[in-house]
Amino acid sequence: SQQGEEDPQALSIQEGENATMNCSYKTSINNLQWYRQNSGRGLVHLILIRSNEREKHSGRLRVTLDTSKKSSSLLITASRAADTASYFCATGTQGGSEKLVFGKGTKLTVNP
Amino acid sequence: GAGVSQSPSNKVTEKGKDVELRCDPISGHTALYWYRQSLGQGLEFLIYFQGNSAPDKSGLPSDRFSAERTGGSVSTLTIQRTQQEDSAVYLCASSLAPKGTEAFFGQGTRLTVV
Repeated sequence: SQQGEEDPQALSIQEGENATMNCSYKTSINNLQWYRQNSGRGLVHLILIRSNEREKHSGRLRVTLDTSKKSSSLLITASRAADTASYFCATGTQGGSEKLVFGKGTKLTVNP
Repeated sequence: GAGVSQSPSNKVTEKGKDVELRCDPISGHTALYWYRQSLGQGLEFLIYFQGNSAPDKSGLPSDRFSAERTGGSVSTLTIQRTQQEDSAVYLCASSLAPKGTEAFFGQGTRLTVV
């Protein structure tokens, strides 16, 4: 079963606007990662936030983590047409299997 | 190699035939994952390797699916007696260590069962 659930499922914005995607998860985690996928093929790692961190930045990306609410958000500022892709959160769970569990993703479209 | 390599990139097979999908992880990466993605859907976990052993194979959909990893490197995912519902993109990823590190993905194998 899916651990992470992203919302919205789809998001369409204009170039220059900010895009916010959310991820909720169910069990305790060691870390949460965000990935990007173009054209339904390989995923590219964007950013990792550990369970003891609350916020992390990387370029135009800002990720927050609220372990009390079991949720995370990914903010892309000043979006560009090239940011059009699907974005997935993935969680590494505490204990048990070391597998990374992915959500269903948010499909972002940035219109020029 | 420079990245995770998967072969073939595309495979069309007839229903009932067996297929083998190959994954070459990044050299030195001990963890290796297989995922399946149907059109427009999320990633479905299949199996995870640490070295040559598979501590978690809970995502394999049926006993028609099996995977092995040899020499702590190359992995093969085998699907026997393929069915149309097996059609999907099969993605492989590797990482240096399972916990708290990023996974590097291959470009996937698009499997079509006709």
